Amino acid sequence: SQQGEEDPQALSIQEGENATMNCSYKTSINNLQWYRQNSGRGLVHLILIRSNEREKHSGRLRVTLDTSKKSSSLLITASRAADTASYFCATDLGYTNAGKSTFGDGTTLTVKP
Amino acid sequence: DTEVTQTPKHLVMGMTNKKSLKCEQHMGHRAMYWYKQKAKKPPELMFVYSYEKLSINESVPSRFSPECPNSSLLNLHLHALQPEDSALYLCASSPSRYRENSPLHFGNGTRLTVT
Repeated sequence: SQQGEEDPQALSIQEGENATMNCSYKTSINNLQWYRQNSGRGLVHLILIRSNEREKHSGRLRVTLDTSKKSSSLLITASRAADTASYFCATDLGYTNAGKSTFGDGTTLTVKP
Repeated sequence: DTEVTQTPKHLVMGMTNKKSLKCEQHMGHRAMYWYKQKAKKPPELMFVYSYEKLSINESVPSRFSPECPNSSLLNLHLHALQPEDSALYLCASSPSRYRENSPLHFGNGTRLTVT
């Protein structure tokens, strides 16, 4: 199976609610990144968390990383209809596998107005 | 709009056609990538170029032929494709393949349909 696996596969919430999605991975990582993809478009980088960091914030986004559990979570607070998209985590395994970021299966988020 | 430009946005080709996908970036990045993405699936790495040299080939069939003419351009030449090759082809760049903690910058992709 893939290095990154995400749950839930799909999430539907009302505008203003918080959305949490999770990513699990199997091997040691150098960093973990979260990307957003609007339908039929390219991926947009949201936030990168290094293996020695536990939490990172960017605007309405909060990412946590638990290397002991090999998992990360992305929290979007006060969601908006414009947050509707697919969200992917990607893991960077470090120098020997440099350039080989591996993407999780993704979570499809729908925010209803 | 992204800083990585891909053309064309859409491409329909027959199995006997030869076509090329193009990608351009002017951020001074020295690593460029091709990913393939099927519907409702994550992107899958195909090729990585580092300083204009092919650095990673993820066992991609030879009907896909990448080319990096200079540090700003990346092409993907297509020949004798199969219908199952229909997908969104994404180009990405980063400052360097080996620079740690550098995210990928993606283009908006080329939607390829093979008939």
